[in-house]
Amino acid sequence: ETGVTQTPRHLVMGMTNKKSLKCEQHLGHNAMYWYKQSAKKPLELMFVYSLEERVENNSVPSRFSPECPNSSHLFLHLHTLQPEDSALYLCASSQGGTSGGPPDQETQYFGPGTRLLVL
Amino acid sequence: AQTVTQSQPEMSVQEAETVTLSCTYDTSESDYYLFWYKQPPSRQMILVIRQEAYKQQNATENRFSVNFQKAAKSFSLKISDSQLGDAAMYFCAYRSQALQGAQKLVFGQGTRLTINP
Repeated sequence: ETGVTQTPRHLVMGMTNKKSLKCEQHLGHNAMYWYKQSAKKPLELMFVYSLEERVENNSVPSRFSPECPNSSHLFLHLHTLQPEDSALYLCASSQGGTSGGPPDQETQYFGPGTRLLVL
Repeated sequence: AQTVTQSQPEMSVQEAETVTLSCTYDTSESDYYLFWYKQPPSRQMILVIRQEAYKQQNATENRFSVNFQKAAKSFSLKISDSQLGDAAMYFCAYRSQALQGAQKLVFGQGTRLTINP
C-alpha cells in the first residue's frame, strides 16, 4: 500500500451504533488530520495530530473521538451520531516541520475518504 | 482568520481549450503557501499545484499553471489543453501558520469543472 489509506470506504450506521474509521499513512509523515466534507460546504478541519499529540480540536462534538496510537495510524471513533453527521470523512497526513521548510513539508496528502451515512 | 473564496461554483470548457479558475484569499500574514487540489468523482483529493508566497515566479506543473498576485491576494489556476480527465471539483487552499509541526489548511468552497468533448 502506498500513500494514505482509509477504511472502510463506505459506512452506514444507526444513531445508536458505535463504529470507528481508520486511516493509515505509508509516507513516513508525523502529522495527521481529520476533515469533514459535507455537500455544498468547504472542507472542515476537525482534528490535527502532530507527533501523536492532538494540537487542534475545532469545536467538534464529543460524539467524535479521535485516537492516534502512533504516527502512522489515526482513528475516528463514532458514537450516537446524528443524521447531519452524514458526510465524507477525509484523512490527510503531512511531514510536519517549522515554517519555511521544503515545499513538500507544507503539503498535505489525502486518503480516499469514508462515505458515512447515519440513519 | 484566513478565508478563501472561489466565486465560480461551476465552470465548463471544451476539450483541448484553456480554462481559468479563480481564487481569492484574505490574510494578514506575509509568508504562506497556496494550493490547488483536485477531487474527481472518486473523491480522492489530489494535489495539483502549490505556490510559496515568497516566490514571485508563478508555479507550473505541465498543463497547470497559476497566476499568483500577492498584492491582490489572488491565486488563479489555468488549465491548458483541457482533457476529459481534468473534470473534477477544484479546491483552492491556504496554508495557515504552522501548528506545532503540523499545518492548518483553509479551503475554498470549490469549483466544479466540466469538460465538454
